[in-house]
Amino acid sequence: AQTVTQSQPEMSVQEAETVTLSCTYDTSESNYYLFWYKQPPSRQMILVIRQEAYKQQNATENRFSVNFQKAAKSFSLKISDSQLGDTAMYFCAFSGRTQGGSEKLVFGKGTKLTVNP
Amino acid sequence: GAGVSQSPSNKVTEKGKDVELRCDPISGHTALYWYRQRLGQGLEFLIYFQGNSAPDKSGLPSDRFSAERTGGSVSTLTIQRTQQEDSAVYLCASTAGPNTGELFFGEGSRLTVL
Repeated sequence: AQTVTQSQPEMSVQEAETVTLSCTYDTSESNYYLFWYKQPPSRQMILVIRQEAYKQQNATENRFSVNFQKAAKSFSLKISDSQLGDTAMYFCAFSGRTQGGSEKLVFGKGTKLTVNP
Repeated sequence: GAGVSQSPSNKVTEKGKDVELRCDPISGHTALYWYRQRLGQGLEFLIYFQGNSAPDKSGLPSDRFSAERTGGSVSTLTIQRTQQEDSAVYLCASTAGPNTGELFFGEGSRLTVL
């Protein structure tokens, strides 16, 4: 079974600084997707960034970028120029072929990020 | 609607009662998922629908939990004889189909069992 581990329950960063959130996963598959989702207090889960395992190039979306190390099964999220609106729970997630072909997302337990003014 | 809609937003019930939670996915999305999120925890997969069928029910925690989907659209998650440990936010998500990778989530239904 696939597992996703986020070892940092809470983190804080000063506004405009850079922060990196860690994520490791375990799978025997060779092709899969990895995601970072953001969940602000409103509860709405929002996709931040996506990485396809067969692509070696790290994904980037504006201030958000990932460091994908396939051999190490590591997928960290870097947030540059942190903004107050980045305060949220961040979940790392894995998607691969599973029972019934569901490609369900398996989530980590999350990292609570607080951006301080 | 433009997004995934869930109702009720909040539900308080007494132990032993049955509850129904509703999810209206994005129009045209064939795949629908239910997740459970306990306070301060990550998301636990419950069930996956492709169209009206549920090929993956592996996450349903007990036979008190069931779900159906009709017309390839609206889904209902039913919890019978609720217990206090059922208290959680129940999130629904939909996607256009396999290999898209991205799930679109609703805001969830917060269930509190007294």
